[in-house]
Amino acid sequence: AQKVTQAQTEISVVEKEDVTLDCVYETRDTTYYLFWYKQPPSGELVFLIRRNSFDEQNEISGRYSWNFQKSTSSFNFTITASQVVDSAVYFCALSPPIYNQGGKLIFGQGTELSVKP
Amino acid sequence: GAVVSQHPSRVICKSGTSVKIECRSLDFQATTMFWYRQFPKKSLMLMATSNEGSKATYEQGVEKDKFLINHASLTLSTLTVTSAHPEDSSFYICSARQQASTDTQYFGPGTRLTVL
Repeated sequence: AQKVTQAQTEISVVEKEDVTLDCVYETRDTTYYLFWYKQPPSGELVFLIRRNSFDEQNEISGRYSWNFQKSTSSFNFTITASQVVDSAVYFCALSPPIYNQGGKLIFGQGTELSVKP
Repeated sequence: GAVVSQHPSRVICKSGTSVKIECRSLDFQATTMFWYRQFPKKSLMLMATSNEGSKATYEQGVEKDKFLINHASLTLSTLTVTSAHPEDSSFYICSARQQASTDTQYFGPGTRLTVL
């Protein structure tokens, strides 16, 4: 069975703090993809990153960074120097390849991040 | 690039009426579109997978006769909620997968449906 767990339901930080959102996944597939999406109060899901299972390199994009560790089945997301505009619900998701179940996304429960000024 | 639109953004209807929601990929062709439902403070629940030119594949527990999905072109999929009831009130979100990019889904802005 495939599953994504985001244990942190809500996180509250003060602006400029660093914050890490945890994501742990379960899958028996050797090939799979991991994603992070941001859902601001407006409701639209914004794509942040896609990572395939063969690429364990960490990635940095501005204030965002991602740590993918297959050994612990984790794909954590860190925001450095958080800003009020980072306040949103963040979803981690897993998908098998297209030839397996059509590549359906399995979402975690989401982490609601609140950044206070 | 990879912009997905939904129309309408909000709709209020009376119980028993049908509502159609459109999902369009604006700058790419989408062979596959997905329809999700999201309850307040909850994650996204996949309702169905829609492939252009073929019947949609519904997830277990989703009534196909109630949630009609049509994917007539590579840029348009529609979800029709038939004989809507108050329990159908929810946030409906579509996503589209690019033809050339096999695994990334891009999401529309969502449609807030309220059934009175």
